[in-house]
Amino acid sequence: EIVLTQSPATLSLSPGERATLSCRASQSVSKYLAWYQQKPGQSPRLLIHDASKRASGIPARFSGSGSGTDFTLTISSLEPEDFAVYYCQQRFNWPPWTFGQGTKVEI
Amino acid sequence: QVQLQESGPGLVKPSGTLSLTCVVSGGSVSSSNWWSWVRQPPGKGLEWIGEINDSGSANYNPSLNYRVTISVDKSKNHFSLTLTSVTAADTAIYYCARDDYGGNTNAFDLWGLGTMVTVSS
Repeated sequence: EIVLTQSPATLSLSPGERATLSCRASQSVSKYLAWYQQKPGQSPRLLIHDASKRASGIPARFSGSGSGTDFTLTISSLEPEDFAVYYCQQRFNWPPWTFGQGTKVEI
Repeated sequence: QVQLQESGPGLVKPSGTLSLTCVVSGGSVSSSNWWSWVRQPPGKGLEWIGEINDSGSANYNPSLNYRVTISVDKSKNHFSLTLTSVTAADTAIYYCARDDYGGNTNAFDLWGLGTMVTVSS
């Protein structure tokens, strides 16, 4: 099973600031990593697939990078609606598909 | 547009069986996708339970392998989850999701709203 470790657990920032979230895999997942956003009381929403490709309708302030074992999700300038929990998911090897434990971006 | 909707009992007794259904509306369960179940215990992260395609081929999380069954009913355009011998540790929000494996996104690109299931006597 591929283990994903996200850091930090919580990121405290202000609107307009830059957010940098990390996801590290226990073995290489090539480019096969996705990022999801989950707001309180809502289901997850796909943000980024294949490490760096924005999903349909996702604003350009969200970007993903990395390959192999180290990945980053960057939010260039936080909007009020971006305060949420973010999960990474590996899409390289299964079963099982695995998720990181999440990073909470809070005000 | 395609939507997913979970349904099933919100309360299950310990040692009982949890059964949920996910209806696919605005699309077909027979599309070239896999269909997954994911759960989230209160205040915790996401755990993939398993998946199925329209041919009935299924894969499961080894941590749940002997307790979980996922099936598909093309005539009703839905897929289902059965989890046996439940305990309080199975209390969670259960989501169904569309897995665009090998497609444009190769990710879970559509999620249901989720349904809360509590295991308690």
